[in-house]
Amino acid sequence: QSALTQPPSTSGSPGQSVTISCTGTSSDVGGYNYVSWYQQHPGKAPKLMIYEVIQRPSGVPDRFSGSKSGNTASLTVSGLQAEDEADYYCSSYAGSSTFVVFGGGTKLTVL
Amino acid sequence: QVQLQESGPGLVKPPQTLSLTCTVSGGSVTSGPYYWSWIRQPAGKGLEWIGRINTSGSTNYNPSLQSRVTISVDTSKNQFFLKLSSVTAADTALYYCARWGTNTGSFDYWGQGTLVTVSS
Repeated sequence: QSALTQPPSTSGSPGQSVTISCTGTSSDVGGYNYVSWYQQHPGKAPKLMIYEVIQRPSGVPDRFSGSKSGNTASLTVSGLQAEDEADYYCSSYAGSSTFVVFGGGTKLTVL
Repeated sequence: QVQLQESGPGLVKPPQTLSLTCTVSGGSVTSGPYYWSWIRQPAGKGLEWIGRINTSGSTNYNPSLQSRVTISVDTSKNQFFLKLSSVTAADTALYYCARWGTNTGSFDYWGQGTLVTVSS
């Protein structure tokens, strides 16, 4: 069982927006602004899409955005495109001992 | 551009020790502020952080694996290593090495992953 809770799946049509939630506790998501999101296509390594809750690495489209409220972080993908179909994982820094925890992943299907 | 590449045996017998190497190119394992980590993913399942080592050689491990994990670094070869002892079938997974940036609080570079199967 993963430390962070994500919905197993979500879907949307091309051009639509979807939001994926990631719920933790005050010891991880709620306690630090080090929430990140990773995109993983089948057979590929995870790719960093969002870091520090809202920041996008260079090269990541601005269709991807992040936010946080309390113990829940969210990833929004706007203007869905076929290539956005993938698994998405959230993670959060959780202190110097536990270090980092992951969510169980959400499969995004573009209809 | 930093690149990471995992290597090691694809099959390990229980209860032997799993040993993997991560070779870093395009950057140095001694440069900071970074932590070098191992992460694994059982087939069809989510990601699990195994442990990390920093540029000074200080380590931290996932509490659930701590008694069996050792991570070390060879700065002369620009490599870091994972040893997981007393493996069982539950340790069968895709193993990734990754770089954690302390400035970004995220894993910004990942290896392609290497599949390790534990079976007699």
